[in-house]
Amino acid sequence: DAKTTQPPSMDCAEGRAANLPCNHSTISGNEYVYWYRQIHSQGPQYIIHGLKNNETNEMASLIITEDRKSSTLILPHATLRDTAVYYCIVRVASTGTASKLTFGTGTRLQVTL
Amino acid sequence: KAGVTQTPRYLIKTRGQQVTLSCSPISGHRSVSWYQQTPGQGLQFLFEYFSETQRNKGNFPGRFSGRQFSNSRSEMNVSTLELGDSALYLCASSLFPTDTQYFGPGTRLTVL
Repeated sequence: DAKTTQPPSMDCAEGRAANLPCNHSTISGNEYVYWYRQIHSQGPQYIIHGLKNNETNEMASLIITEDRKSSTLILPHATLRDTAVYYCIVRVASTGTASKLTFGTGTRLQVTL
Repeated sequence: KAGVTQTPRYLIKTRGQQVTLSCSPISGHRSVSWYQQTPGQGLQFLFEYFSETQRNKGNFPGRFSGRQFSNSRSEMNVSTLELGDSALYLCASSLFPTDTQYFGPGTRLTVL
């Protein structure tokens, strides 16, 4: 699986949009970009994933650049409950053998009043 | 639909003992993966099961083992516990191995 690079930490004011970047310059054509978050000592929570098109769900939006070498997770109106470690993961999802998630160190997002 | 459940949530053992952790996947999910999370190593993949078969294994010693039952429930076992096995053990389930994985709350194991 391709490696990802994320900033170690970010701050965001409550009510503002949180934009979390991720670099995955060695991503392959059959690798998806997944985002999870982990609130202190809980299990990781799935947020969103995409291949090459932008994606949106009730939690967030995922913007993937045209060359697919980077992406941005957008939380449109951050709240204190969004304070967590956010993990960007690239993962092969088209073969039968390499389906594990490889977690990096993630970005610690702190939402403040 | 109920999420992934893991039992027990907390466990304290002593060195040399063995432990069995249990995971019940989301109803209908047939794939279960296990991960270990420690402050020093982060989240690391242990193994993955699908249709009662281990499909993938991480870089852990043979003391770590697992199995999956016909109802897709899974257990993992750690024998001869070491202090370094203290960790949060996470289980994730998915419909099939390449689908989105959903995590349980984890089992916090402390080895004294």
